[in-house]
Amino acid sequence: SQKIEQNSEALNIQEGKTATLTCNYTNYSPAYLQWYRQDPGRGPVFLLLIRENEKEKRKERLKVTFDTTLKQSLFHITASQPADSATYLCALAYNQAGTALIFGKGTTLSVSS
Amino acid sequence: DAGVIQSPRHEVTEMGQEVTLRCKPISGHNSLFWYRQTMMRGLELLIYFNNNVPIDDSGMPEDRFSAKMPNASFSTLKIQPSEPRDSAVYFCASTPGLAGGELFFGEGSRLTVL
Repeated sequence: SQKIEQNSEALNIQEGKTATLTCNYTNYSPAYLQWYRQDPGRGPVFLLLIRENEKEKRKERLKVTFDTTLKQSLFHITASQPADSATYLCALAYNQAGTALIFGKGTTLSVSS
Repeated sequence: DAGVIQSPRHEVTEMGQEVTLRCKPISGHNSLFWYRQTMMRGLELLIYFNNNVPIDDSGMPEDRFSAKMPNASFSTLKIQPSEPRDSAVYFCASTPGLAGGELFFGEGSRLTVL
């Protein structure tokens, strides 16, 4: 069965540094991969989507890479701020039409000032 | 526009009782999903609907769980009878197209079964 691993349960960094979160998957090649942010007591909120034929996607201070050879996605937050502290979830869709997203357990990021 | 609306936000019940969770998706969204989140297992897909039809219910843990979508603006997830191991946060999400696209989540229903 499909498996998604987000390597770190928790990541602590200082304000201004770049946070890098990792998502690894096994078995199948996903059609695309998404990243979500979840704050305590709230539902996940969509951040970025990257397709299998894309290497990199950017949105403001966020950057996502997708390496289908390594079966890995990296999620970067540059110039991190305390407001970036949250849990970040990686999710995969295994085909374009009909398969629901499967989520990793998430990495909790804490940015200290 | 209102987002995905879930009720109740919190539910505390005793083992053996029936629990019904409700969801109103975003208007115009064709796909609706029920997920369950726990610390141990993370966010797990239970079932999803497309155009009110159940497409994949392989994540429904057992016969005690059932889900319906009688129309495009309403879905329920029912647990009967409930057990302490069902304690979790249950999320409903919707998306405008087919499954796999960006999901819009509700705020969740936190269920505690004593």
